[in-house]
Amino acid sequence: AQSVTQPDIHITVSEGASLELRCNYSYGATPYLFWYVQSPGQGLQLLLKYFSGDTLVQGIKGFEAEFKRSQSSFNLRKPSVHWSDAAEYFCAVAVMDSSYKLIFGSGTRLLVRP
Amino acid sequence: EAQVTQNPRYLITVTGKKLTVTCSQNMNHEYMSWYRQDPGLGLRQIYYSMNVEVTDKGDVPEGYKVSRKEKRNFPLILESPSPNQTSLYFCASSFFRDNEQYFGPGTRLTVT
Repeated sequence: AQSVTQPDIHITVSEGASLELRCNYSYGATPYLFWYVQSPGQGLQLLLKYFSGDTLVQGIKGFEAEFKRSQSSFNLRKPSVHWSDAAEYFCAVAVMDSSYKLIFGSGTRLLVRP
Repeated sequence: EAQVTQNPRYLITVTGKKLTVTCSQNMNHEYMSWYRQDPGLGLRQIYYSMNVEVTDKGDVPEGYKVSRKEKRNFPLILESPSPNQTSLYFCASSFFRDNEQYFGPGTRLTVT
């Protein structure tokens, strides 16, 4: 069955430090992958997406993610975290057969220390 | 401004009292979807619609209904709400099914 795993429920980093959020997916075909961010009390905003091509994708707010097919991973990275990055981050995979569904991971809450 | 709107934003109701959460988008998107968000479970898809009069079940459709009579609107109907439907609900839309989905601000529903 298709699934997305985000193994870290919470991550705390210091402002200015680098960040990596992990995401592993299970999907038989070539995946369409997404990272969304949810700030407190807000809806979800797309950070970046991978459909095909270059496995390193750039997104908004200085985020990037790398697709690694051999590891079924799509980890999100940022070289220097800002306090405003504190939020919850969701990885998702699009399942496309006769239908279309987005399957989300359970999320990783990022806390930023001053 | 391009956006997805949901109403109401907050709702407290009682078991069995029918309710509708409206969703509207002004971007001429074909695809629309409803999700519920519960702690530790992320977002789970309830129903989606590829276009007008075309709807299909997501992963957790039990207890919900939807309709898509117009392109811009995709209401979520709870005919007989139960406490296990207490959740945060999001509507989303996109031009085509594999493009970026734009999310509404969410509706927090409490069923007592």
